[in-house]
Amino acid sequence: KQEVTQIPAALSVPEGENLVLNCSFTDSAIYNLQWFRQDPGKGLTSLLLIQSSQREQTSGRLNASLDKSSGRSTLYIAASQPGDSATYLCAGTNFGNEKLTFGTGTRLTIIP
Amino acid sequence: NAGVTQTPKFQVLKTGQSMTLQCAQDMNHEYMSWYRQDPGMGLRLIHYSVGAGITDQGEVPNGYNVSRSTTEDFPLRLLSAAPSQTSVYFCASWRGDYGYTFGSGTRLTVV
Repeated sequence: KQEVTQIPAALSVPEGENLVLNCSFTDSAIYNLQWFRQDPGKGLTSLLLIQSSQREQTSGRLNASLDKSSGRSTLYIAASQPGDSATYLCAGTNFGNEKLTFGTGTRLTIIP
Repeated sequence: NAGVTQTPKFQVLKTGQSMTLQCAQDMNHEYMSWYRQDPGMGLRLIHYSVGAGITDQGEVPNGYNVSRSTTEDFPLRLLSAAPSQTSVYFCASWRGDYGYTFGSGTRLTVV
């Protein structure tokens, strides 16, 4: 059974810093990995999708990488802004199985 | 392009009442699913469907029922609401090259 862990559970950094959020998974048969953002009381917004044949994806100030051999994915946020404050969730699907397994989330606070 | 639409956004039920949470998507995705999100428990899969007429149970299916008569709609029924079903419910659709798209959620309170 795939298990996904995110460390740390919470992170506070000053505005302007670059930061990395980590995601670890137990089953290297992970197929697709997706990063989401969730604001308090809101739904999940998809940030980046790394498909099975890819190793990384970029969108604006965000870059996500996937290393299946080590069981890790990272989300890099450049030049952080207060508007980046939210909970970030990683989630993966396994080959032949569309079910999404979620990580525990990292609550990010950017200090102005 | 609306994506995934959930209604209602908020609902209060009395124990024992039944209700249906509505979910509709306009992306022609075959795969749809329902999750519940609880503090400290994360998101857990309730039921899912790989296409019209096909549904299956997820991790926490007890007390919930689903059907899928069309590609667009995937309603979730609470048969007899219990306080343990107080949660935020998310509907999602998926396509392999597109990933998951989630609705904005339904916040349900059972008293």
